[in-house]
Amino acid sequence: QIQLVQSGPELKKPGESVKISCKASGYTFTDYAMHWVKQVPGKGLKWMGWINTYTGKPTYADDFKGRFVFSLEASASTANLQISNLKNEDTANVFCARGGTTVAMDWFAYWGQGTLVTVSS
Amino acid sequence: DIRMTQSPASLSASLGETVNIECLASEDIYSDLAWYQQKPGKSPQLLIYNANSLQNGVPSRFSGSGSGTQYSLKINSLQSEDVATYFCQQYNNYPRTFGGGTKLELK
Repeated sequence: QIQLVQSGPELKKPGESVKISCKASGYTFTDYAMHWVKQVPGKGLKWMGWINTYTGKPTYADDFKGRFVFSLEASASTANLQISNLKNEDTANVFCARGGTTVAMDWFAYWGQGTLVTVSS
Repeated sequence: DIRMTQSPASLSASLGETVNIECLASEDIYSDLAWYQQKPGKSPQLLIYNANSLQNGVPSRFSGSGSGTQYSLKINSLQSEDVATYFCQQYNNYPRTFGGGTKLELK
């Protein structure tokens, strides 16, 4: 069965970095886009961007340019999100979500379990 | 950016009742719309895609409709397990954007 398994919760101090992984299984990793979505506890969903798992090209939403980096370990069917220079407002649950094979089919049928990133001094 | 406005923000309904949630896009999204259900402490789950296509495994009491800028999610015969927050999302353009959510509770 198709699964996205994310790395565990993180507690970081402001200014530190964090790397979150999302390991996919049950399908051909490079056939589907991988998206990242942020959710502040108790709030709504915000799309962070996506990575083309075939070419490795990342695309970032405007609010996530600069400190955020999407990357792949395609041989391990894993997508990663690195956030540098963490700020208090980065405290959130971060999800990976599988997109479509084409932009026209880009709904999110599969989601990781979420990784809670807490930034506190 | 395409703005997705969901209404109502919260809703209280009785078991067996029919519930409607609306989603208004700031421009035509050509039915490139999905609906998700999220329960506390869980990941969102896809209910509907392409505005009206039911995802495999989702109960048939859920249905989606709409076109252009106006879309809706209908839940027939509300069950206790439907208590959750519901989000719409457009995938017609970048950035992908979500509605603010509708929190559904039992009366």
